[in-house]
Parts: sequence; C-alpha cells; structure tokens
Amino acid sequence: GENVEQHPSTLSVQEGDSAVIKCTYSDSASNYFPWYKQELGKRPQLIIDIRSNVGEKKDQRIAVTLNKTAKHFSLHITETQPEDSAVYFCAAGDSNYQLIWGAGTKLIIKP
Amino acid sequence: NAGVTQTPKFQVLKTGQSMTLQCAQDMNHEYMSWYRQDPGMGLRLIHYSVGAGITDQGEVPNGYNVSRSTTEDFPLRLLSAAPSQTSVYFCASSPNLGSGSEAFFGQGTRLTVV
Repeated sequence: GENVEQHPSTLSVQEGDSAVIKCTYSDSASNYFPWYKQELGKRPQLIIDIRSNVGEKKDQRIAVTLNKTAKHFSLHITETQPEDSAVYFCAAGDSNYQLIWGAGTKLIIKP
Repeated sequence: NAGVTQTPKFQVLKTGQSMTLQCAQDMNHEYMSWYRQDPGMGLRLIHYSVGAGITDQGEVPNGYNVSRSTTEDFPLRLLSAAPSQTSVYFCASSPNLGSGSEAFFGQGTRLTVV
C-alpha cells in the first residue's frame, strides 16, 4: 500500500524567511497531493493541492511542487508570518478513495 | 450551511464500554470518512463511504463499525473500547469521490479510554 513520509517533523524559521516541507510517497498510482494546515486544537483545513498532471502550483505566499519521477512533493511558504505557525500535513491519494497522510510538520515562526 | 458536525466533542469511556460518535454533513457530499489522529502519526483512515449504503475499510478498521443509511449521516461505533483507542477522531466529507477532492473536517472528538 501507499506510504507517505514527511520531513522535517519540526521546522523553526525566522519571521519573513521561507519554509520548505518535503514529502515522499511510494505508490506511483497516486495522483492527488493535498496539503492541510492544522492550528492547535482545530480541524485540518486544505491550503493547497496539486494533481499529477501539474508540476507546480502557487497561491499567493504558498506553492507546491511535484516531482513524479522521484515521487516527492514539497510545500513552500514565503515571507512567513506568525499566523503561519501550525502543523502542516501532506497526503497522497489515488482512485481507491483513500488518502494516506504524512506524520505532520510543526512549523514555528520566530519573531 | 453548518458543514460537518461531530458530537460529542469530548468523551471518557471505561474499557469495554461501547459508544457511537455521530457525524452529519449538510453539503450533500457523497464521500465521507473517519480518521483517528495520534501524536506523531498524522491522520489514519478508519472507514469510509462513497455513498448511502456503501462502506469500506481504511487502514485501521479493527474495533470500529460504520453504517451509511443516509447521505447526511455517518456514525462510527466503538464496539468494546480499549485504551489503544484513546485518540482524537475526525469525520470528513468530500464533494467528489474521495481522494481527489478537498476534505471538509468536523471539529473532532477527543476520546479517552481508561
């Protein structure tokens, strides 16, 4: 079955700097790669997603890149702000209706 | 729209007790799922449903049952609670079939089994 690995588990960056979180997946049939943000005590919420026919997608300060050959995808956050502090999860999904999730990255924005 | 509503928000059970976590959505989504979230392990799929009358197992189905008698409701039943089922449970729904579209989550249920 699918396995998703996410690194790092904790990331601390200075406010205004960029943050990059990486995920690798094992199943070449996976074709949908979302990223979710979860603030403390809250529910996960989708921030950006990408499908396997696209290499990069941007939405203001966040972007996701996908390398299908290497089976990895990354979340990039530029000009980080205090409200970016949260746990971020990647996931991989295919036509079997199941999303497999990474273990999460705790992002800390230092003032 | 209320979105996805889960009840209760907190629950403490004794080992061996049974209970049902309720989940309802008012977005007419076909796909619904239940996850458990444990520290350092992300979200793990317990069961899912692609429509009324259809359910299937996810990664960690043992000890849990589900049913989908209507499009709106997708309850999760713990048959005989064990301490290993202490976790935060999230229900989610999606407008399209499952893994290829945004999942809308309920607010979560924090379950402690003593």
